[in-house]
Amino acid sequence: DIVMTQSPDSLAVSLGERATINCKSSQSVLYSSDNKNYLAWYQQKPGQPPKLLIYWASTRESGVPDRFSGGGSGTDFTLTISSVQAEDVAVYYCQQDYGTPCTFGQGTKLEIK
Amino acid sequence: QVQLQQWGAGLLKPSEALSLTCAVYGGSFNDYFWSWIRQPPGKGLEWIGKINHSGRTIYNPSLKTRVTISVDTSRNQVSLKLSSVTAADTAVYYCARPSSSSSSDAFDLWGQGTMVTVSS
Repeated sequence: DIVMTQSPDSLAVSLGERATINCKSSQSVLYSSDNKNYLAWYQQKPGQPPKLLIYWASTRESGVPDRFSGGGSGTDFTLTISSVQAEDVAVYYCQQDYGTPCTFGQGTKLEIK
Repeated sequence: QVQLQQWGAGLLKPSEALSLTCAVYGGSFNDYFWSWIRQPPGKGLEWIGKINHSGRTIYNPSLKTRVTISVDTSRNQVSLKLSSVTAADTAVYYCARPSSSSSSDAFDLWGQGTMVTVSS
């Protein structure tokens, strides 16, 4: 299985500041035939299912605010929230769907400082 | 608007079988593989397996010996059975659909989740 490792496990950011979450895969998730990275990001709030934010590493899901952006390629990826809002408090997960089984990172908890 | 509604027993004893069903309302049932994913309390997400309308299944090897996913196309439902449960199977179980925008298993539609507790 491809192991996904996120860092940090938690972070506290002031309102309006930038937050960056890292995700590293144990092998490349770049599919050569279409040059796409099969890496997604989710936001999960307490008592709710995860919400898809980004797929193909950098494509924002419809309706997701543009303060959320994804980057990276191969094995190293980032989720950036450019200006953290109170409603962004949540746990964030990366997921690879390059290999089967698809696998998730352990999660990063975002809090407001 | 497509919705996923789940149901099933929430409290099981060790060695019993877990059984959950997910109904798909609206949208196209036949165009997707439908997945089951679980999340132990306070922990991360684990993909269990998926099925399409013709009954083709793909399972997580870590659970393959205990998992059966089935489909009822007449009712647009998918079901999960997990045999011989232990406390380690205590989790919220979700059904989920991959995004139609991407050729991948990025899940853009989730059921509400069903909490299953295994306790003697």
